[in-house]
Amino acid sequence: AQKVTQAQTEISVVEKEDVTLDCVYETRDTTYYLFWYKQPPSGELVFLIRRNSFDEQNEISGRYSWNFQKSTSSFNFTITASQVVDSAVYFCALAPGGSQGNLIFGKGTKLSVKP
Amino acid sequence: DSGVTQTPKHLITATGQRVTLRCSPRSGDLSVYWYQQSLDQGLQFLIQYYNGEERAKGNILERFSAQQFPDLHSELNLSSLELGDSALYFCASSLLAGDTDTQYFGPGTRLTVL
Repeated sequence: AQKVTQAQTEISVVEKEDVTLDCVYETRDTTYYLFWYKQPPSGELVFLIRRNSFDEQNEISGRYSWNFQKSTSSFNFTITASQVVDSAVYFCALAPGGSQGNLIFGKGTKLSVKP
Repeated sequence: DSGVTQTPKHLITATGQRVTLRCSPRSGDLSVYWYQQSLDQGLQFLIQYYNGEERAKGNILERFSAQQFPDLHSELNLSSLELGDSALYFCASSLLAGDTDTQYFGPGTRLTVL
């Protein structure tokens, strides 16, 4: 079965705190892709990152960093020095291997950053 | 701005009616995907088209249908609408059809069925 679990439904932090959003996935495919998307209050889905199953290097982009660990089937997302503009729902998604690209989304984590 | 456009932004209609949602993919993208976001089901994949042909089907009801036209825009048709069809419908596009491509999402169409 293909599945993405985001166990944290809601997280609330104060500005400048670091926060980590957890994502655990299940797949039997050896080749797959993982994604993070951000959905701000305005509603659109914004692409943040794509990672393939063969690349376990951590990635950093500004205040954002991602930790991919195949051994634990996890792809966690950390925001350093959070800001109010980071308030959004964050979705982790899995694209199983193959010629079809449909994404399997987790339920999302709502992050509230308070000033 | 992802480059994917969707119209209309909001749609309010009554039960039993039929509506059409429209999507224009990013320039150069051949694949179009439709997703439904509802409070109880979350984000669910409905259907994918690649260069005019249906490529994959997800949890799409028989009352729903879609097509992709020669100019690559896509339409999602929802008929015999029920209250439970109220949701945010997203279109996404990617360059090709497979798992290697990043999907870029449009702003969504919010459908309210009264």
